[in-house]
Formats: sequence, structure tokens, C-alpha cells
Amino acid sequence: SYELTQPPSVSVSPGQTATVTCFGDNLGDKFASWFQQKAGQSPALVIYHDTKRPSGIPERFSGSNSGNTATLTIRGTQDMDEADYYCQAWDRSTAVFGGGTRLTVL
Amino acid sequence: QVQLQESGPGLVKPSQTLSLTCSVSGDSVTRGTFYWNWIRQPAGKGLEWIGRVYTSGTTNYNPSLKSRVSISLETSKNQFSLKLSSVTAADTALYYCARVVDSRGGYFDFWGQGILVTVSS
Repeated sequence: SYELTQPPSVSVSPGQTATVTCFGDNLGDKFASWFQQKAGQSPALVIYHDTKRPSGIPERFSGSNSGNTATLTIRGTQDMDEADYYCQAWDRSTAVFGGGTRLTVL
Repeated sequence: QVQLQESGPGLVKPSQTLSLTCSVSGDSVTRGTFYWNWIRQPAGKGLEWIGRVYTSGTTNYNPSLKSRVSISLETSKNQFSLKLSSVTAADTALYYCARVVDSRGGYFDFWGQGILVTVSS
């Protein structure tokens, strides 16, 4: 079965750039989405179709996807960005989620 | 604004069938541009997709759960439902329903708040 691999944790200082990666076999041939999940809340879409931001998502969130790796980048990271982040892609009509990355803003 | 709301028993006994309903407002489950999905999340763990149903009634399921899962539309009530049979403690989780925009690379744009289901005798 298809798998997406994320680092368990990433730390960043306020105002710096956070990078969260998602690895999957030929992931660049699929569309990747990213979700932010804060404690006690439902996941929220922050990036879809590799690079697109839903309405209301700040411009500091951006995405890319090439080769085997999709990347979520948060520029000028704020305290409010501290959360779990999940990548997701479809493989033959099956949705696959990465294991999640805990982003800590130190 | 689209809203999804899960409902159902919060406690299910082992070997029984878990049954949940997702009520949709602000949209119609019969509109042919979306898939309606169930996802679950055990406490402190990641997201696991369970399956989806399209407006035609066509379904797709996670291969790891396929033998125990059924998802269906209830169009008259603008709802869709999940049934998971022969549950064990491993099925204890927060269960979410969510909408997927039907496009190449469909994306989950709206989620319910989730419902905690515990499997215990």
C-alpha cells in the first residue's frame, strides 16, 4: 500500500521559516494537500493541489511538490502556527495521510 | 457555509457494529461535485481515511477496513452514514466526516467537529 512519511517533529523560532516535508514514491505525480490541526480541533486545509491556498489561509503558507517530496513552507512563522501538520494524497481511489508533524514554535 | 455534524453512540461493545451519521447543511449530498468521507483519529495518533461515497452511491474504502465497512447516502435527510462491523478496542477513535471536492487530486475542504467513539464492554 502507498505510504507518506513525515518527520515527527519540527521546531522553529518565531519569525523564521518552517519547512515540513512529506515523502512518498513518485509523490510529485500526484496532487498533495496539507492540513493544520490545532489541539482539540478538526483538521483544516491549508494547501491543496500542491500549491494552492484556500480562502482565508495566510500568504505565509506555501507548498511545493516534485519528485518524491511535497513540502509545506511557513514563512515568518507565528506562535499561532504551532500545530500538527498532515500531508495527504490519493492513490488509486484511496486517500492516504502522512503520519503528521508536530510543529513547535520556540 | 457548509457544515457537517457527526452523530451516533459514543460507546459500542466489542464485536458489535459501530453506526454513525453525518448531517450536512449548506449543501446537498446529491450535488455531483463532491465525495462524502469518513476519517478517524485514535487519541494522540494520526489520521486514517475510512472511505467515501459519491452522489451516485459509488463507494471506495480503505483496503485495511474494507471487509468491515459500509458507507451510504441518505439523500432524503441530506446525510451519509458509516457502519463498521465487528469492532474491537482498536476501533476506538475520534471519527470525522468530511467533504472532498471532486476534481483530479480531490481535496478535503470541510470537516465535521468529530465524535469520540469508545469500544468497551
